[in-house]
Amino acid sequence: SQELEQSPQSLIVQEGKNLTINCTSSKTLYGLYWYKQKYGEGLIFLMMLQKGGEEKSHEKITAKLDEKKQQSSLHITASQPSHAGIYLCGAEGGSQGNLIFGKGTKLSVKP
Amino acid sequence: IAGITQAPTSQILAAGRRMTLRCTQDMRHNAMYWYRQDLGLGLRLIHYSNTAGTTGKGEVPDGYSVSRANTDDFPLTLASAVPSQTSVYFCASSASIEYTQYFGPGTRLTVL
Repeated sequence: SQELEQSPQSLIVQEGKNLTINCTSSKTLYGLYWYKQKYGEGLIFLMMLQKGGEEKSHEKITAKLDEKKQQSSLHITASQPSHAGIYLCGAEGGSQGNLIFGKGTKLSVKP
Repeated sequence: IAGITQAPTSQILAAGRRMTLRCTQDMRHNAMYWYRQDLGLGLRLIHYSNTAGTTGKGEVPDGYSVSRANTDDFPLTLASAVPSQTSVYFCASSASIEYTQYFGPGTRLTVL
């Protein structure tokens, strides 16, 4: 079965710094989703990538899917306290056609 | 537009009791899902429904049941709660099974 591994597990950065979160799949990715979760809240959809080499941006967050479609990265430029939360990657890979998820990366941004 | 609502927000339940977690969406999505989120284990699919009237088992269905009488509602029932069902439960929906899933705010359940 497909598995998603996220790195790092947690990250503490100073406000204004750039950071990158990675999501590596054990199999080819046919749809890769990035979500953000704040403590005690639900998951907020950020972006979805499908094509090898695809890159999407929303405000200061950029997500890329590598050419081989087995790894995705999420890059935040000039981080702000509002970026703090848990970032999860999800992929189409469940036995029922459902999404499977990585275990998440906890991001803290120090003012 | 509310999106997906879940109730209750949180609940403490005695072991052996029956409990139904409610989920309602107003996006007219065909597919709906129930996940549980546990520290160190991430999100795991409990049950899903591709369309009203049909349901299917996910990765961890034991001890849970669902029904999908209409498009909007997808309740999750614990027939006889056990402490291992202590978790945060998320309901999600998508236009169909291959489309982006949108999540509700979650229900935090503690079984003592």
